[in-house]
Amino acid sequence: DIQMTQSPSSVSASVGDRVTLTCRASQPIASWLAWYQQKPGEAPKLLIYVASHLQNGVPSRFSGSGSGTEFTLTISGLQPEDFATYYCQQGNSFPWTFGQGTKVEIK
Amino acid sequence: DVQLVESGGGLVQPGGSLRLSCAASGFTSGLPFNRYWMIWVRQAPGKGLEWVANIKADGSEKNYVDSVKGRFTISRDNAQKSSYLQMNSLRVEDTAVYYCARDGGFYIDSWGQGTLVSVSS
Repeated sequence: DIQMTQSPSSVSASVGDRVTLTCRASQPIASWLAWYQQKPGEAPKLLIYVASHLQNGVPSRFSGSGSGTEFTLTISGLQPEDFATYYCQQGNSFPWTFGQGTKVEIK
Repeated sequence: DVQLVESGGGLVQPGGSLRLSCAASGFTSGLPFNRYWMIWVRQAPGKGLEWVANIKADGSEKNYVDSVKGRFTISRDNAQKSSYLQMNSLRVEDTAVYYCARDGGFYIDSWGQGTLVSVSS
């Protein structure tokens, strides 16, 4: 199975900050990488698919990049509603696997 | 908008069984239900997400995470626009919120609200 590793596990940031989250795959996955946002008590929400494509309705302050084994999610200008846990997921091969999550907390 | 509504969760003793259902609606702006792979994902309390199983649009192919192989069975009824997860020989470590989800093509583009399965004596 492909292992997905996210870093950091948590980050403290302020409103307006630029935040970059990293996800690494244990083997190349081309661009088959998605990012999700999850708030407590809610289902995850798709933000980015195929590494860099913004899902309809997601604010443009979210952006994704990378290919192969290293990927990033950047939030440019953190908003109060962005404090949540973010997960990456590889769709290159079954079983699909998720990273352990990065919690973005208020500083 | 796509809606996925899970049901069937609850409290069960170790070794017991449960059948989860997922009713789909709102597949109006794209392909119909019977053209999508469907997925089940779970999340143990306070933990991360784990992909559990998926099923091809016509039901001809199914995949499972190793930890549930031989115990869980995914199925679907396209006429009813529903997906199911039969869970047998349940273990304490199967305790989680189970989400029904739609495969958007190598990623999940729609999620249900989840149903809680608790395995405890």
